[in-house]
Amino acid sequence: GAVVSQHPSRVICKSGTSVKIECRSLDFQATTMFWYRQFPKQSLMLMATSNEGSKATYEQGVEKDKFLINHASLTLSTLTVTSAHPEDSSFYICSARDDGLRGAGETQYFGPGTRLLVL
Amino acid sequence: AQTVTQSQPEMSVQEAETVTLSCTYDTSESDYYLFWYKQPPSRQMILVIRQEAYKQQNATENRFSVNFQKAAKSFSLKISDSQLGDAAMYFCAYRSGGGSNYKLTFGKGTLLTVNP
Repeated sequence: GAVVSQHPSRVICKSGTSVKIECRSLDFQATTMFWYRQFPKQSLMLMATSNEGSKATYEQGVEKDKFLINHASLTLSTLTVTSAHPEDSSFYICSARDDGLRGAGETQYFGPGTRLLVL
Repeated sequence: AQTVTQSQPEMSVQEAETVTLSCTYDTSESDYYLFWYKQPPSRQMILVIRQEAYKQQNATENRFSVNFQKAAKSFSLKISDSQLGDAAMYFCAYRSGGGSNYKLTFGKGTLLTVNP
């Protein structure tokens, strides 16, 4: 089956620093990827849609300058949390849409997530 | 905007028994997809089952099946012969079928406990 990796799996950083999280589709191409945030015992909240070769589309209430997204290739999207603060601590999950599947076959494959702790 | 409602925050089932998780959704669209995802303690999201709205036949994947009632906008998940490994958070999700909107809208989830 399709595999999506995320790196790092967990990261601890100091307040004010920036953190980059990578999302890779390992065995398929993904023009479209998604970034979610999940708080403990809550559902996934979509932050933004990442589009290869174009600007990301952010959901209402998500700061574009805070959460920078770059989708430079068909297999890689990155999320950079800039000037991180303790309130940015959360579980970040990416997903990727397989370009090779359309219509009835289409689904999103999820990465294992990244746990961010900002001290 | 579409909404997905899971009215059962928690459910429990005895091993080998059957359990049904509820999901309702609200949409004005006729073309869409519905999904059930499982999130075990590892927090890796795993696709359990998918249903295309245009298909009248309920989707089935081994021990997992759905009861899709389009008119009632209901999409419940039945897990038969429950196993300890089925213990997880289950999320119902909706995706529009038209255009280029591939976003998933998730419900709040149902935490399933499987008792030995």
